[in-house]
Amino acid sequence: AQSVAQPEDQVNVAEGNPLTVKCTYSVSGNPYLFWYVQYPNRGLQFLLKYITGDNLVKGSYGFEAEFNKSQTSFHLKKPSALVSDSALYFCAVIGIRVDKLIFGAGTRLAVHP
Amino acid sequence: GAVVSQHPSRVICKSGTSVKIECRSLDFQATTMFWYRQFPKQSLMLMATSNEGSKATYEQGVEKDKFLINHASLTLSTLTVTSAHPEDSSFYICSARDKSGVYGYTFGSGTRLTVV
Repeated sequence: AQSVAQPEDQVNVAEGNPLTVKCTYSVSGNPYLFWYVQYPNRGLQFLLKYITGDNLVKGSYGFEAEFNKSQTSFHLKKPSALVSDSALYFCAVIGIRVDKLIFGAGTRLAVHP
Repeated sequence: GAVVSQHPSRVICKSGTSVKIECRSLDFQATTMFWYRQFPKQSLMLMATSNEGSKATYEQGVEKDKFLINHASLTLSTLTVTSAHPEDSSFYICSARDKSGVYGYTFGSGTRLTVV
């Protein structure tokens, strides 16, 4: 069975500092990995995805994520956090034979001025 | 880019009534639609998957007769919550995918359902 783990319920970062939101996955075969952001009472906005190719994926709003196959991780990063980055972040995975997105529990990012 | 329009954004209904939520793909053909439910401060729970022109596939534990899903066209899917109860109050989100094979999932903006 495929699954996604986001070990941190909340991440607190000072504005201007780098941020990391962690994600590990479990899936049979090669994974397709996604990051989404959700603002209050809104749907999910796509940030980036890894399908194949370079392990470092660059996405929207200055975010990037690094696919690490040996550690089965896909951590989300940003070099310099903004207060407006404060939101709920979801990591998601689909396996090669399954077309359903499976979401992690979500991590709330709080960026303080 | 791909846009999915979901309506209404908020709805309040009385117990025992039915509520319909619409999800439309505006600039692409959504061969597959997914319906999720999200409880406060929790992740998204997949309720069902529907392919255009065929019956929806429901996840384990989701009542088919309570959550009716129709995907009659390539641009429209609806979720009807029948005989609503307060415990059905939740945030419902749809997601659409085209058949291009790029694995792009586009999400609607969600519907906040409150049953009183």
